[in-house]
Amino acid sequence: AQSVTQLDSQVPVFEEAPVELRCNYSSSVSVYLFWYVQYPNQGLQLLLKYLSGSTLVESINGFEAEFNKSQTSFHLRKPSVHISDTAEYFCAVTDSWGKLQFGAGTQVVVTP
Amino acid sequence: DAGVIQSPRHEVTEMGQEVTLRCKPISGHNSLFWYRQTMMRGLELLIYFNNNVPIDDSGMPEDRFSAKMPNASFSTLKIQPSEPRDSAVYFCASSSRQGNTEAFFGQGTRLTVV
Repeated sequence: AQSVTQLDSQVPVFEEAPVELRCNYSSSVSVYLFWYVQYPNQGLQLLLKYLSGSTLVESINGFEAEFNKSQTSFHLRKPSVHISDTAEYFCAVTDSWGKLQFGAGTQVVVTP
Repeated sequence: DAGVIQSPRHEVTEMGQEVTLRCKPISGHNSLFWYRQTMMRGLELLIYFNNNVPIDDSGMPEDRFSAKMPNASFSTLKIQPSEPRDSAVYFCASSSRQGNTEAFFGQGTRLTVV
């Protein structure tokens, strides 16, 4: 069985400050890892993904995440956040069978 | 493509009534997922299908819940009878391959059972 743990339920951060959202997973098989973002009253949108290859993956809006197999982690970072980054962020894991499991989510609140 | 389409967007029903939520996945996708989101329990995977076949329904909370996928372009999630604790946002998502591609989500159906 696989599972995802997001260690922070809420992360307050000032605009233009860096942010890190922590995600740890457990699985007995090879996994694929994702970060999704959910804005209020909307569905989830893919932010970035790790399938194979380089362990550092980036999104088009400045987020990056690093897959660390030894620590079973996939933490999400952004060096400088904007007000518009206020949202809930979900880490997710799936295996080759396609069962997509989500963490509990981390609410990011960016203030001026 | 219009993306994953869910209907209705909002549903208010009385306790004991039957509720049917509908989902049209992205054309060509062969995996479909139903999730429930609540403040208390977060995002829960209820059931997922691959090539219209239910692969894992271990997340379906009770026998009151059932899901079908009669063809590649349509799925339903039915609750009968509905209860106030079923109030949540229900999301449908689809993906093109098993595992190694992302899932695309619909806008969700906000269900309120009074």
